[in-house]
Amino acid sequence: GQQLNQSPQSMFIQEGEDVSMNCTSSSIFNTWLWYKQDPGEGPVLLIALYKAGELTSNGRLTAQFGITRKDSFLNISASIPSDVGIYFCAGRWNAGGTSYGKLTFGQGTILTVHP
Amino acid sequence: GAGVSQTPSNKVTEKGKYVELRCDPISGHTALYWYRQSLGQGPEFLIYFQGTGAADDSGLPNDRFFAVRPEGSVSTLKIQRTERGDSAVYLCASSEQGVGNTGELFFGEGSRLTVL
Repeated sequence: GQQLNQSPQSMFIQEGEDVSMNCTSSSIFNTWLWYKQDPGEGPVLLIALYKAGELTSNGRLTAQFGITRKDSFLNISASIPSDVGIYFCAGRWNAGGTSYGKLTFGQGTILTVHP
Repeated sequence: GAGVSQTPSNKVTEKGKYVELRCDPISGHTALYWYRQSLGQGPEFLIYFQGTGAADDSGLPNDRFFAVRPEGSVSTLKIQRTERGDSAVYLCASSEQGVGNTGELFFGEGSRLTVL
């Protein structure tokens, strides 16, 4: 099935560094979401974006919904060891502006933080 | 519990066998989704229920896969004549629909299926 193009595939960083990852699509979406998944767990929602150009923060996380509606990025500032995990972007297209429907996910970015 | 509950957490079966995976959504959530996550990949959509009916089953890979939600709460994903390629983690998610909420998905921990 279709998946979004997410990069980088993996990152190895030192504690305290900032992290940036992004996601692109050949199709437009009207919702972009960022999830984090720990081993043996389901994905957990970090940030949701609903409008093109929107910039949203959640603590040390900041995400933006691209103007073209075909891309999004996630930044993590001042990384800490518990940021380790797999980060997924996901897009949703809802005809008629409804708030439900299937998500299309990226392949994930594996983040490793060295203390 | 408060979250989405999936059973079994692990299932090992032989090729050709029938398997059922169960999902108990968050109480009051009207929408329920099934996703499949292969190793090293993001989740892929299988099917979505709004209440008791399948609103979108476009992600089911073939007719060996079927899902039901007879009372609009618990759902069962059924896989017939399992194949080795069916091995994956099957994730269930639920969401609350309605005016004023965003309908975002809450995922369970998944059922890991291994077909030998």
